[in-house]
Amino acid sequence: EDQVTQSPEALRLQEGESSSLNCSYTVSGLRGLFWYRQDPGKGPEFLFTLYSAGEEKEKERLKATLTKKESFLHITAPKPEDSATYLCAVQAPTGKLIFGQGTTLQVKP
Amino acid sequence: EAQVTQNPRYLITVTGKKLTVTCSQNMNHEYMSWYRQDPGLGLRQIYYSMNVEVTDKGDVPEGYKVSRKEKRNFPLILESPSPNQTSLYFCASSLDRGGEQYFGPGTRLTVT
Repeated sequence: EDQVTQSPEALRLQEGESSSLNCSYTVSGLRGLFWYRQDPGKGPEFLFTLYSAGEEKEKERLKATLTKKESFLHITAPKPEDSATYLCAVQAPTGKLIFGQGTTLQVKP
Repeated sequence: EAQVTQNPRYLITVTGKKLTVTCSQNMNHEYMSWYRQDPGLGLRQIYYSMNVEVTDKGDVPEGYKVSRKEKRNFPLILESPSPNQTSLYFCASSLDRGGEQYFGPGTRLTVT
C-alpha cells in the first residue's frame, strides 16, 4: 500500500537552531515527491518537487533532499516566520497524490 | 492573477441535503484534484482529474461525486451529505500530473 510518514509530528526550535524534517515513503514507481508549506487557515503552498534519488533543491533557508526511501527538509538558521506546517506528498504512476500528516514547526525568537 | 477559486468558503448544511462546491482555475491546468483535511488525518485525496472527461478516485471517494466537463472547472458534489463529511475541503490544480499544485483557499463544510 502506498504510504507517506512524516516525523516528527511537531518540532519546536529556537531562532537560528537548524534541524531536519523527515518524510519516508513507500510507493511503487515514484513519479515525484513534493514539499508544501501550510499556514493556519490557508491552502498549502508549493515549495519543492524532487524526482529522483540524489536530487537536491534549495530555497532561502530550506533545502530538500531525496533518497530511494525518504526525503529530508533541512532548515538552516530558521526564523519565526518559518513557523508553519510542512507537508510531504508523493505521486504514484496513476496520478494519485498521497500526503503525509505533516510536521508542525514552531520557531521561537 | 493566476489562482484557484472555491465557493462557498463556508457552508453549514443538514444531513441529506445535496450540495455542490465549485472549483475554478484560470491557468489552463490539465490536472485538478479535491482533498479533505481533518485533524490527525492530514490531507486526503478524494478525486482527481488528469483532463476533461477523465476522473479517478483518490483515497476517500465514498459519498462524493465529481465532473470535469470543462478544463477550468471541477465541482465537488455531495449527493446526500452526512456528519462524517464535516471537514475542510481544498481544490488544487497543476499544469500536469507531475507538476506543482496550486491550492484554493479552502471550503469549511459543517453537516449537522
